[in-house]
Amino acid sequence: SYELTQPPSVSVSPGQTASITCSGDKLGDKYACWYQQKPGQSPVLVIYQNYKRPSGIPERFSGSNSGNTATLTISGTQAMDEADYYCQAWDSNTDWVFGGGTTLTVL
Amino acid sequence: EVQLVESGGGLVQPGGSLRLSCAASGFTFSRYWMNWVRQAPGKGLEWVANIMQDGREKYYVDSVKGRFTISRDNAKNSLYLQMNSLRAEDTAVYYCARVTGTYFDYWGQGTLVTVSS
Repeated sequence: SYELTQPPSVSVSPGQTASITCSGDKLGDKYACWYQQKPGQSPVLVIYQNYKRPSGIPERFSGSNSGNTATLTISGTQAMDEADYYCQAWDSNTDWVFGGGTTLTVL
Repeated sequence: EVQLVESGGGLVQPGGSLRLSCAASGFTFSRYWMNWVRQAPGKGLEWVANIMQDGREKYYVDSVKGRFTISRDNAKNSLYLQMNSLRAEDTAVYYCARVTGTYFDYWGQGTLVTVSS
């Protein structure tokens, strides 16, 4: 079965850039997306189709996907960005797969 | 405004059954694939099942095949998940989620299912 691997945790200082990676075999050949989940809340889509931002998502959120790695980048990280982040990919062979999640700490 | 509202969760004994519902509003429900995604306490997200717009095609994660059944009623803008032979490892918050292309663009607030004696 297909697997997506994320680091369990990432720390960043306020105002700095946070990068969260998601690795999977030939992930760059698929569409990757990212969800933000704050404690006690439902996931929210922040990046889809590798780099696109849904309406209402701040410009500081960006994404890329190439080779075996997709990356979520948060520029000028704010305290409100502290959350769990999940990557997800789909193709006809793998169905719907999520990464294990990364806890972003802003300190 | 798109809204997905789940209901039907609760405490059930191992081997028991439960039926979850998801009421959709704010979009043309019959035009979208719909999904159930779950999250065990303190764990990550896991896709459970999905259903085609007209209900002809349904897919499940291996761990629930033969035990869970997804269905929908487009006239009532509702999605369902019938869960039988429940196990402790099915304990989770179950989310109803809409799919657009290759991603889940809207999620409900979730309903908690606890399987315990």
